[in-house]
Amino acid sequence: ETGVTQTPRHLVMGMTNKKSLKCEQHLGHNAMYWYKQSAKKPLELMFVYNFKEQTENNSVPSRFSPECPNSSHLFLHLHTLQPEDSALYLCASSHSPLWNEQFFGPGTRLTVL
Amino acid sequence: AQKVTQAQTEISVVEKEDVTLDCVYETRDTTYYLFWYKQPPSGELVFLIRRNSFDEQNEISGRYSWNFQKSTSSFNFTITASQVVDSAVYFCALSELIQGAQKLVFGQGTRLTINP
Repeated sequence: ETGVTQTPRHLVMGMTNKKSLKCEQHLGHNAMYWYKQSAKKPLELMFVYNFKEQTENNSVPSRFSPECPNSSHLFLHLHTLQPEDSALYLCASSHSPLWNEQFFGPGTRLTVL
Repeated sequence: AQKVTQAQTEISVVEKEDVTLDCVYETRDTTYYLFWYKQPPSGELVFLIRRNSFDEQNEISGRYSWNFQKSTSSFNFTITASQVVDSAVYFCALSELIQGAQKLVFGQGTRLTINP
């Protein structure tokens, strides 16, 4: 079983819907991350959590709302998204936010209609 | 600002050929880390290697090897005797420390196709 799991793997939603993406890591790590991967653009860091505290918000629009209830779980709440938000959303974790390699989940492929 | 350039968007070779993926980076930091990740069709990024800025020794792991040249700000990745299973998108990344947390800056990726 992979160390970082994400659900759902695929999601189609309308612009008025509210949905949540879930990430769980089984590696005992303390830092978790959300990335966005759009077609023809580099991976973009969205949020960083260290010991459940948000340490980085990379100028992400408020229609994306992260939640980290504990070091093993990370959510991304979505509401009133735009079609340009369609992308692969990747979750990652690392032992600490300092210099460690990050381990990624399989991602959620999001399509906004 | 930190930047990673992978100039090769797509590479296609025949199985058993050697292939090198280029990575050039820009940073003003003296301490930094470089990474390579593999993204197969399943989507998840698979960690391949991490290198710190003070260690310029080349590294070999099986068919994979990495050439870190600080003088040219490059961190190239070579696959020897390529196999079909090596087909994937490969990302080079540079870390920067912002507010006590590491932020990875990724290149655009190189799509590698190994044909049988």
